Amino acid sequence: DAGITQSPRHKVTETGTPVTLRCHQTENHRYMYWYRQDPGHGLRLIHYSYGVKDTDKGEVSDGYSVSRSKTEDFLLTLESATSSQTSVYFCAISELVGTGRNTIYFGEGSWLTVV
Amino acid sequence: AQRVTQPEKLLSVFKGAPVELKCNYSYSGSPELFWYVQYSRQRLQLLLRHISRESIKGFTADLNKGETSFHLKKPFAQEEDSAMYYCALIRNAGNNRKLIWGLGTSLAVNP
Repeated sequence: DAGITQSPRHKVTETGTPVTLRCHQTENHRYMYWYRQDPGHGLRLIHYSYGVKDTDKGEVSDGYSVSRSKTEDFLLTLESATSSQTSVYFCAISELVGTGRNTIYFGEGSWLTVV
Repeated sequence: AQRVTQPEKLLSVFKGAPVELKCNYSYSGSPELFWYVQYSRQRLQLLLRHISRESIKGFTADLNKGETSFHLKKPFAQEEDSAMYYCALIRNAGNNRKLIWGLGTSLAVNP
């Protein structure tokens, strides 16, 4: 398994509170991603990063912000959590190594419940 | 538009039966396609990529450019194959490097 660690793995928080999820990699991969997974919606990209301090929005970025100050860490912040952000969040990493050898590796997921 | 379609949300088969999980794509270029598997409450794991043409856990998938399909097949399903399966393709455009995902098919293999 690729060296990807997500923290916390499980969290329950109250509506309106800020929450930060951390993704840490030991693979020195350039690309990092945050997805959320919900029944009936599959995987939806929240934000991604293509280098230190280089980030861009995905398809469901509203209510989320990210930061990448080091290659190995990609933080996802919910500034003011809402119940609609109750979900499983997956971090993923990738490196462009050439056609046929590109792979995206996933972390184990962070279960977030907003009450 | 670039899109990956998995037409079946749920597929239920009996142990020992053949299984085919369908995946169709729409992509203007040469696609790089993958199948990922997710067992209950675990991370997504790479199952197959079309370039390698390998067989993992008895599964194979062939890219059919004429039909724009990348169906996942296994001749004899096992109970441990019960999982969620996602088809995806990589899109590379400058710094924009993302996977385009299907919505997934839940495979249930019954004893």
